[in-house]
Amino acid sequence: DAKTTQPPSMDCAEGRAANLPCNHSTISGNEYVYWYRQIHSQGPQYIIHGLKNNETNEMASLIITEDRKSSTLILPHATLRDTAVYYCIAEDNTGTASKLTFGTGTRLQVTL
Amino acid sequence: NAGVTQTPKFQVLKTGQSMTLQCAQDMNHEYMSWYRQDPGMGLRLIHYSVGAGITDQGEVPNGYNVSRSTTEDFPLRLLSAAPSQTSVYFCASGWRGWSDTQYFGPGTRLTVL
Repeated sequence: DAKTTQPPSMDCAEGRAANLPCNHSTISGNEYVYWYRQIHSQGPQYIIHGLKNNETNEMASLIITEDRKSSTLILPHATLRDTAVYYCIAEDNTGTASKLTFGTGTRLQVTL
Repeated sequence: NAGVTQTPKFQVLKTGQSMTLQCAQDMNHEYMSWYRQDPGMGLRLIHYSVGAGITDQGEVPNGYNVSRSTTEDFPLRLLSAAPSQTSVYFCASGWRGWSDTQYFGPGTRLTVL
């Protein structure tokens, strides 16, 4: 089962920052948090991942709380092309090999 | 560098037919996996492979077989198609494991009548 909880949908005005929250209260200390997005019906696209420090790359920033029970993906200047379903995924190390379990994600709609 | 390629893009099968979905990557990735995505749902892991000759089951393996004879290819076989297997199938690859960025293919839309 997915170990994360996300709001089903969010809206954001173009040019504004999009802040997408994710709860992962049961994540273990050595399990990473990953963010992927899926634009329309394309294959998912990697955005960013982190363990406990905040991370930033050319696409987004990832803010992880100190207790690691939640995180926020920030798209600093959302554009219409950022409209997509965003998946927050907690790595699962409980089986024989770690794997990613996708939930239903947050559908972000960026509007003019 | 084509990344991850999947064929066919679309397929319609009748119940009971078998077929193979093809997946290939040219990035020399060790990890490859297959997911299915049903309408309005997230992706569910079917099978994965940590390297040539090594495969393992994911969350929903029943009705599917895989093999990994080369690093590049990871075909998914539907043994006897059922309407419940109507879905979009995505193949993904990564360097060594889930902690590495996973690259997804464009998907195969399968309809089983």
